[in-house]
Amino acid sequence: DADVTQTPRNRITKTGKRIMLECSQTKGHDRMYWYRQDPGLGLRLIYYSFDVKDINKGEISDGYSVSRQAQAKFSLSLESAIPNQTALYFCATSDSRDWYGYTFGSGTRLTVV
Amino acid sequence: DQQVKQNSPSLSVQEGRISILNCDYTNSMFDYFLWYKKYPAEGPTFLISISSIKDKNEDGRFTVFLNKSAKHLSLHIVPSQPGDSAVYFCAASGSGTASKLTFGTGTRLQVTL
Repeated sequence: DADVTQTPRNRITKTGKRIMLECSQTKGHDRMYWYRQDPGLGLRLIYYSFDVKDINKGEISDGYSVSRQAQAKFSLSLESAIPNQTALYFCATSDSRDWYGYTFGSGTRLTVV
Repeated sequence: DQQVKQNSPSLSVQEGRISILNCDYTNSMFDYFLWYKKYPAEGPTFLISISSIKDKNEDGRFTVFLNKSAKHLSLHIVPSQPGDSAVYFCAASGSGTASKLTFGTGTRLQVTL
């Protein structure tokens, strides 16, 4: 099993629908992150959490929300999906003792039509 | 405002030759720099890093050079191999355990036979 698992791997949804992307990890890391990848824009941080009770906005949090249900689980929600949220989404984890060593999941490709 | 930029979206190199990937940053508070490699349908994986107190770090075929005065870093791959074909992201972070990685836009490297 992968250290960082994202579900679903692919999703097509309609404009206005609510959708949740899930991330779970077996690394035992305390920190978790959500990034999105867009062509020409690289990886941009949406939200991050340094522990279960800590949630912080990243550079592009508008239109998104997150929930840290447990140390191992961090989900990203799009309350009302719009087409410009079509992107590749990555969850990542790191340990506060080795904070720059990110482990990424395989990504969720989301298409909003 | 893109704080970490990779101005070459793509690069093609012959097998056995040197690949040089470049990255520029604007935030003078960054003092730790990393390169991540990404294959299709996979998440990015850590490749090599460098602290601002160094100007060079080597790991096998991979060498990262840092020029702080120019706010520029580069990744050299010698010799390039077909398996090196991937997207490469540079990333930067400030000091301190509360820091997060800011990623560049990515460069797609193709190593041809």
